[in-house]
Amino acid sequence: QKEVEQDPGPLSVPEGAIVSLNCTYSNSAFQYFMWYRQYSRKGPELLMYTYSSGNKEDGRFTAQVDKSSKYISLFIRDSQPSDSATYLCAMSAGSYGGATNKLIFGTGTLLAVQP
Amino acid sequence: EPEVTQTPSHQVTQMGQEVILRCVPISNHLYFYWYRQILGQKVEFLVSFYNNEISEKSEIFDDQFSVERPDGSNFTLKIRSTKLEDSAMYFCASKAGSSDTQYFGPGTRLTVL
Repeated sequence: QKEVEQDPGPLSVPEGAIVSLNCTYSNSAFQYFMWYRQYSRKGPELLMYTYSSGNKEDGRFTAQVDKSSKYISLFIRDSQPSDSATYLCAMSAGSYGGATNKLIFGTGTLLAVQP
Repeated sequence: EPEVTQTPSHQVTQMGQEVILRCVPISNHLYFYWYRQILGQKVEFLVSFYNNEISEKSEIFDDQFSVERPDGSNFTLKIRSTKLEDSAMYFCASKAGSSDTQYFGPGTRLTVL
Protein backbone atom coordinates (compact mmCIF):
# COMPACT_ATOMS: atom_id res chain seq x y z
CA GLN A 1 0.00 0.00 0.00
CA LYS A 2 1.35 3.42 -0.96
CA GLU A 3 2.05 5.78 1.92
CA VAL A 4 -0.07 8.55 0.36
CA GLU A 5 -2.67 8.01 -2.35
CA GLN A 6 -4.27 10.71 -4.44
CA ASP A 7 -6.45 10.47 -7.52
CA PRO A 8 -4.44 12.04 -10.34
CA GLY A 9 -7.53 13.21 -12.22
CA PRO A 10 -7.83 15.15 -14.41
CA LEU A 11 -10.82 16.82 -12.79
CA SER A 12 -12.74 19.27 -14.95
CA VAL A 13 -15.40 21.54 -13.42
CA PRO A 14 -17.34 24.62 -14.56
CA GLU A 15 -16.49 28.00 -13.10
CA GLY A 16 -18.28 28.56 -9.79
CA ALA A 17 -18.43 24.87 -8.86
CA ILE A 18 -17.35 23.46 -5.51
CA VAL A 19 -14.27 21.29 -5.93
CA SER A 20 -13.42 18.42 -3.61
CA LEU A 21 -9.90 16.97 -3.61
CA ASN A 22 -8.89 14.06 -1.42
CA CYS A 23 -5.97 11.97 -0.20
CA THR A 24 -5.71 8.85 1.88
CA TYR A 25 -2.66 7.71 3.77
CA SER A 26 -1.43 4.67 5.65
CA ASN A 27 1.16 6.00 8.12
CA SER A 28 -0.51 6.77 11.45
CA ALA A 29 2.55 8.80 12.51
CA PHE A 30 1.58 11.65 10.17
CA GLN A 31 0.59 14.69 12.19
CA TYR A 32 0.98 17.58 9.77
CA PHE A 33 -1.05 17.89 6.61
CA MET A 34 -0.55 20.35 3.81
CA TRP A 35 -2.02 21.23 0.46
CA TYR A 36 0.20 22.73 -2.18
CA ARG A 37 -0.76 24.15 -5.55
CA GLN A 38 1.62 23.62 -8.46
CA TYR A 39 1.42 25.27 -11.83
CA SER A 40 3.11 23.56 -14.75
CA ARG A 41 6.89 23.39 -14.31
CA LYS A 42 6.81 25.61 -11.22
CA GLY A 43 7.50 24.97 -7.54
CA PRO A 44 4.80 23.86 -5.10
CA GLU A 45 3.05 26.82 -3.44
CA LEU A 46 1.70 26.28 0.07
CA LEU A 47 -2.08 26.71 0.24
CA MET A 48 -3.24 25.20 3.51
CA TYR A 49 -1.66 23.66 6.59
CA THR A 50 -3.44 21.65 9.28
CA TYR A 51 -2.09 20.02 12.38
CA SER A 52 -3.80 16.78 13.47
CA SER A 53 -7.55 16.36 12.93
CA GLY A 54 -10.05 19.12 12.25
CA ASN A 55 -11.06 21.78 9.76
CA LYS A 56 -9.35 24.94 8.64
CA GLU A 57 -10.80 27.63 6.43
CA ASP A 58 -9.01 30.34 4.46
CA GLY A 59 -11.12 32.35 2.06
CA ARG A 60 -12.53 30.00 -0.57
CA PHE A 61 -10.41 27.08 0.66
CA THR A 62 -11.29 24.60 3.43
CA ALA A 63 -9.00 21.79 4.54
CA GLN A 64 -10.30 18.83 6.53
CA VAL A 65 -8.35 16.09 8.27
CA ASP A 66 -9.90 12.90 9.62
CA LYS A 67 -7.09 10.98 11.29
CA SER A 68 -9.36 8.14 12.34
CA SER A 69 -10.07 7.39 8.67
CA LYS A 70 -6.62 8.53 7.48
CA TYR A 71 -8.34 10.83 5.00
CA ILE A 72 -7.76 14.48 4.15
CA SER A 73 -9.72 16.81 1.88
CA LEU A 74 -9.44 20.22 0.29
CA PHE A 75 -12.59 22.05 -0.78
CA ILE A 76 -12.53 25.01 -3.13
CA ARG A 77 -15.70 27.12 -3.23
CA ASP A 78 -16.67 29.31 -6.16
CA SER A 79 -13.88 27.88 -8.28
CA GLN A 80 -12.21 30.19 -10.80
CA PRO A 81 -10.27 29.47 -14.00
CA SER A 82 -7.18 30.76 -12.16
CA ASP A 83 -7.55 27.80 -9.78
CA SER A 84 -6.60 25.50 -12.64
CA ALA A 85 -3.41 23.76 -11.49
CA THR A 86 -2.18 20.53 -9.93
CA TYR A 87 -3.06 20.18 -6.24
CA LEU A 88 -0.64 18.18 -4.14
CA CYS A 89 -1.37 16.81 -0.71
CA ALA A 90 1.66 16.40 1.52
CA MET A 91 2.12 15.11 5.02
CA SER A 92 4.75 14.76 7.65
CA ALA A 93 5.35 13.05 10.97
CA GLY A 94 7.07 16.21 12.15
CA SER A 95 9.92 15.45 14.49
CA TYR A 96 8.06 12.49 16.02
CA GLY A 97 10.41 9.59 16.72
CA GLY A 98 13.41 11.50 15.40
CA ALA A 99 11.84 12.26 12.03
CA THR A 100 12.96 15.43 10.28
CA ASN A 101 9.71 16.89 8.96
CA LYS A 102 10.30 15.42 5.50
CA LEU A 103 7.20 15.70 3.39
CA ILE A 104 5.58 12.74 1.70
CA PHE A 105 3.57 13.86 -1.30
CA GLY A 106 0.63 12.44 -3.17
CA THR A 107 0.81 12.22 -6.94
CA GLY A 108 -1.23 15.41 -7.35
CA THR A 109 -4.67 16.00 -8.88
CA LEU A 110 -4.84 18.05 -12.06
CA LEU A 111 -7.78 20.46 -11.86
CA ALA A 112 -9.20 22.39 -14.80
CA VAL A 113 -11.86 25.04 -14.13
CA GLN A 114 -13.72 25.83 -17.33
CA PRO A 115 -14.93 29.43 -17.83
CA GLU B 1 7.23 38.47 1.05
CA PRO B 2 10.44 36.43 1.50
CA GLU B 3 10.88 33.52 -0.86
CA VAL B 4 13.22 30.68 -1.69
CA THR B 5 15.24 31.27 -4.84
CA GLN B 6 17.06 28.73 -6.99
CA THR B 7 19.63 28.97 -9.77
CA PRO B 8 19.90 28.10 -12.55
CA SER B 9 16.31 27.66 -13.68
CA HIS B 10 17.43 25.14 -16.29
CA GLN B 11 20.67 23.17 -16.49
CA VAL B 12 21.65 20.93 -19.37
CA THR B 13 24.61 18.61 -18.87
CA GLN B 14 26.26 15.58 -20.38
CA MET B 15 26.07 12.22 -18.65
CA GLY B 16 28.99 11.79 -16.27
CA GLN B 17 29.45 15.51 -15.64
CA GLU B 18 29.19 17.15 -12.23
CA VAL B 19 26.45 19.68 -11.56
CA ILE B 20 25.82 22.03 -8.66
CA LEU B 21 22.33 23.33 -8.03
CA ARG B 22 22.05 26.42 -5.89
CA CYS B 23 19.41 27.62 -3.50
CA VAL B 24 19.02 30.66 -1.29
CA PRO B 25 16.57 29.73 1.49
CA ILE B 26 14.44 32.24 3.37
CA SER B 27 16.84 34.16 5.57
CA ASN B 28 15.71 33.22 9.09
CA HIS B 29 14.99 29.57 8.28
CA LEU B 30 17.02 26.82 9.91
CA TYR B 31 15.93 23.62 8.14
CA PHE B 32 16.72 22.98 4.50
CA TYR B 33 15.55 20.30 2.11
CA TRP B 34 16.01 19.05 -1.42
CA TYR B 35 13.24 17.26 -3.30
CA ARG B 36 13.03 16.11 -6.88
CA GLN B 37 10.19 15.53 -9.30
CA ILE B 38 10.71 13.40 -12.37
CA LEU B 39 8.40 14.52 -15.17
CA GLY B 40 4.90 13.19 -14.61
CA GLN B 41 5.75 11.72 -11.21
CA LYS B 42 5.31 12.85 -7.64
CA VAL B 43 7.60 15.07 -5.63
CA GLU B 44 10.11 12.92 -3.72
CA PHE B 45 12.21 13.74 -0.68
CA LEU B 46 15.97 13.61 -1.15
CA VAL B 47 17.64 15.06 1.94
CA SER B 48 17.13 17.28 4.97
CA PHE B 49 19.84 19.47 6.48
CA TYR B 50 20.00 21.17 9.86
CA ASN B 51 22.78 22.66 11.95
CA ASN B 52 25.30 22.09 9.16
CA GLU B 53 24.74 18.40 8.81
CA ILE B 54 22.44 15.97 7.04
CA SER B 55 19.62 14.94 9.34
CA GLU B 56 17.92 12.47 7.01
CA LYS B 57 18.37 11.20 3.47
CA SER B 58 16.34 8.99 1.20
CA GLU B 59 17.45 5.91 -0.72
CA ILE B 60 17.75 8.11 -3.81
CA PHE B 61 20.43 10.22 -2.13
CA ASP B 62 23.39 7.92 -2.75
CA ASP B 63 27.13 8.63 -2.78
CA GLN B 64 26.80 10.62 -5.99
CA PHE B 65 24.86 13.32 -4.14
CA SER B 66 26.13 15.80 -1.57
CA VAL B 67 24.80 18.96 0.04
CA GLU B 68 26.56 21.92 1.50
CA ARG B 69 25.84 25.25 3.11
CA PRO B 70 29.05 27.03 2.08
CA ASP B 71 28.12 30.38 3.64
CA GLY B 72 25.27 31.92 5.60
CA SER B 73 22.90 32.19 2.68
CA ASN B 74 23.44 29.47 0.06
CA PHE B 75 22.47 25.80 0.14
CA THR B 76 23.77 23.60 -2.67
CA LEU B 77 23.10 20.16 -4.08
CA LYS B 78 25.95 18.53 -5.98
CA ILE B 79 25.62 15.53 -8.24
CA ARG B 80 29.11 14.17 -8.91
CA SER B 81 28.57 12.09 -12.02
CA THR B 82 25.16 12.63 -13.55
CA LYS B 83 23.10 9.82 -15.03
CA LEU B 84 20.26 10.02 -17.53
CA GLU B 85 17.82 9.12 -14.76
CA ASP B 86 18.87 12.22 -12.77
CA SER B 87 16.89 14.32 -15.25
CA ALA B 88 14.16 15.94 -13.13
CA MET B 89 13.02 19.15 -11.48
CA TYR B 90 14.95 19.73 -8.27
CA PHE B 91 13.24 21.78 -5.58
CA CYS B 92 14.84 23.38 -2.57
CA ALA B 93 12.67 24.05 0.47
CA SER B 94 13.23 25.73 3.81
CA LYS B 95 11.48 25.87 7.16
CA ALA B 96 11.68 28.09 10.20
CA GLY B 97 12.58 26.45 13.48
CA SER B 98 9.23 27.35 15.04
CA SER B 99 7.10 26.24 12.11
CA ASP B 100 6.02 23.00 10.53
CA THR B 101 5.55 24.36 7.04
CA GLN B 102 8.10 24.19 4.23
CA TYR B 103 8.37 26.79 1.53
CA PHE B 104 9.55 25.73 -1.88
CA GLY B 105 11.66 27.44 -4.49
CA PRO B 106 10.71 27.56 -8.18
CA GLY B 107 12.97 24.61 -9.02
CA THR B 108 15.88 23.84 -11.31
CA ARG B 109 15.12 21.71 -14.32
CA LEU B 110 18.06 19.36 -14.84
CA THR B 111 18.40 17.68 -18.22
CA VAL B 112 21.08 15.01 -18.58
CA LEU B 113 21.94 14.08 -22.17
